[in-house]
Amino acid sequence: EVQLLESGGGLVQPGGSLRLSCAASGFTFSNYGMNWVRQAPGKGLEWVSFISASGVTTYYADSVKGRFTISRDNSKNTLYLQMNSLRTEDTAIYYCAKKYSSNWRNFDYWGQGTLVTVSS
Amino acid sequence: DIQLTQSPSLLSASVGDRVTITCRASQGISSDLAWYQQEPGKAPNLLIFAASTLQSGVPSRFSGSGSGTEFTLTISSLQPEDFATYYCQQLNSYPLTFGGGTKVEIK
Repeated sequence: EVQLLESGGGLVQPGGSLRLSCAASGFTFSNYGMNWVRQAPGKGLEWVSFISASGVTTYYADSVKGRFTISRDNSKNTLYLQMNSLRTEDTAIYYCAKKYSSNWRNFDYWGQGTLVTVSS
Repeated sequence: DIQLTQSPSLLSASVGDRVTITCRASQGISSDLAWYQQEPGKAPNLLIFAASTLQSGVPSRFSGSGSGTEFTLTISSLQPEDFATYYCQQLNSYPLTFGGGTKVEIK
């Protein structure tokens, strides 16, 4: 059974940093691209970042480019999101999501999410 | 960036109704579109990808159609468990984008 378990969320002041983790199990992690998606309270979904299976290729939403860094450790089956220079508008539930296949970019499995609150 | 516009944003319907949600892309995206369902307090769930391919385990009352810039998600006979929010997502190019969502509520 595929499982994705996020951790690392919490309360942080504006300008602060936080690192999210997503522990994966139930599939060959090193074969699949991974994503982060966020959802502000009461709002819609916003794609944040993608990393390829090897970790060589990454993409970011303009809203986080230069502040967030996606990475992965295939030996630990873990995905990361390093978030720096956090802003109040980064407050959201952050989900990790598995890319469906090498041919399709949609997401077939999602974690339960971790809440990040940026507030003074 | 490719923008997706969903309509309506809110849909009131009854059990057994046929409902249709539309998603329009700001430029052509071939069939590179997915639909997700999100229940309150839960993560989204993949319903359809490649515009019309039903994800394994998803009931056949859900169907998708369209290509280019206009897409639809249809629920042929609304069930109580279908009252949720639905999102389209374009997969044609990065940054990937989602539509604003359609909340299906009980009439």
